[in-house]
Amino acid sequence: EIVLTQFPGTLSLSPGERATLSCRASQSVSSSYLAWYQQKPGQAPRLLVYGASSRATGIPDRFSGSGSGTDFTLTISRLEPEDFAVYYCQQYGNSPRTFGQGTKVEIK
Amino acid sequence: EGQLLESGGDLVQPGGSLRLSCGASGFTFSNYAMIWVRQAPGKGLEWVSGISVTGAKTDFADSVKGRFTISRVNSKNTLYLQMISLRAEDTAVYYCAKAGMGLVGPLYYMDVWGKGTTVTVSS
Repeated sequence: EIVLTQFPGTLSLSPGERATLSCRASQSVSSSYLAWYQQKPGQAPRLLVYGASSRATGIPDRFSGSGSGTDFTLTISRLEPEDFAVYYCQQYGNSPRTFGQGTKVEIK
Repeated sequence: EGQLLESGGDLVQPGGSLRLSCGASGFTFSNYAMIWVRQAPGKGLEWVSGISVTGAKTDFADSVKGRFTISRVNSKNTLYLQMISLRAEDTAVYYCAKAGMGLVGPLYYMDVWGKGTTVTVSS
């Protein structure tokens, strides 16, 4: 099983700042099959990025994904008030598909 | 994009059984693999199970293997999760999700999610 470790656990930032979230895999993720999701309290998760760097439909371009192999990054270029949430990475190249434990982006 | 609506969540005693359903609309259900994901109270997301478009291929998290069964009825646009021998640690919100599509077949990321149904296992 591929274990995904996200860091930091919590990111305290102000609106307008840049957020950099990391996801490290215990072994190489095949074909960069890595996705990022955003979840707000009481809501279902929302797909942001798939294939490590492809934005999902309707996702603003301030969200960008990068990386390959075992190291992946989600960057939010300028935080908007609605971006404060929990973010999860997920690998879908190997079974069982697994999630990271999440990074909370909170208002400083 | 489509919509998914889960149902069937309930309070059940340890050792009990439950069947969750997920109705799909707004997309051609029979063209997409489907997935169940759960989230225990205050915890992160956990992949539970996935099923191919025909239902011929399924996979499960180790934590539910042998206790949960995933199935689908394409003519009814409905996905199911049959759960037996339920444990307290199965308490969670269960989400149904639509899998993405690659050039040669399904890719098991989730591009459409339902709102979830709550399963509580307690005596």
